[in-house]
Amino acid sequence: SQQGEEDPQALSIQEGENATMNCSYKTSINNLQWYRQNSGRGLVHLILIRSNEREKHSGRLRVTLDTSKKSSSLLITASRAADTASYFCATGRGSTLGRLYFGRGTQLTVWP
Amino acid sequence: NAGVTQTPKFRVLKTGQSMTLLCAQDMNHEYMYWYRQDPGMGLRLIHYSVGEGTTAKGEVPDGYNVSRLKKQNFLLGLESAAPSQTSVYFCASRPSGTSGGAGNEQFFGPGTRLTVL
Repeated sequence: SQQGEEDPQALSIQEGENATMNCSYKTSINNLQWYRQNSGRGLVHLILIRSNEREKHSGRLRVTLDTSKKSSSLLITASRAADTASYFCATGRGSTLGRLYFGRGTQLTVWP
Repeated sequence: NAGVTQTPKFRVLKTGQSMTLLCAQDMNHEYMYWYRQDPGMGLRLIHYSVGEGTTAKGEVPDGYNVSRLKKQNFLLGLESAAPSQTSVYFCASRPSGTSGGAGNEQFFGPGTRLTVL
């Protein structure tokens, strides 16, 4: 399966702390994406990293990609209660017409 | 722009009944997708379309049919609903082309929560 697998399944931290989520996958990829899902809502795209990139930043988000280990991590710095959500990694291959393969997600809870 | 919208938001069916879920997008995207989300399973692709008049099977297509008669709409049909199809259904869309960079992200609708009794 090309699905990513997130780790940990659940993460609970205090506001102001950093949150790190990991994603591992099994096959070669073209890009890896992270999405957020608030309870009862649709997924929202956060950040995309190409297979030839190693690190990418967007605001308080930092994503790394290690294609040799087939893994990625998402770091959210200075977490806020509003960051409470499920986070999913999704892998894409250029030949599969935009299909994405989603992991099971990490449930992040940020306590005020 | 409304983005991606889904109709209905909630539905309860009895086993054997049929229904159609409607997805509409106003971003002129070529590609559209239907996923189901079950607890602990993440999102799984049911069917997808790479343009008006085209459809293709995803990971879990059995028991579902789709149609893309207009570019902006993607319909998901359940001909004879089963309890195993109780799930939350998400539609997504994205532009065509690009080779892995910006433009590969998918835009999701708010979901349809379906219960089959």
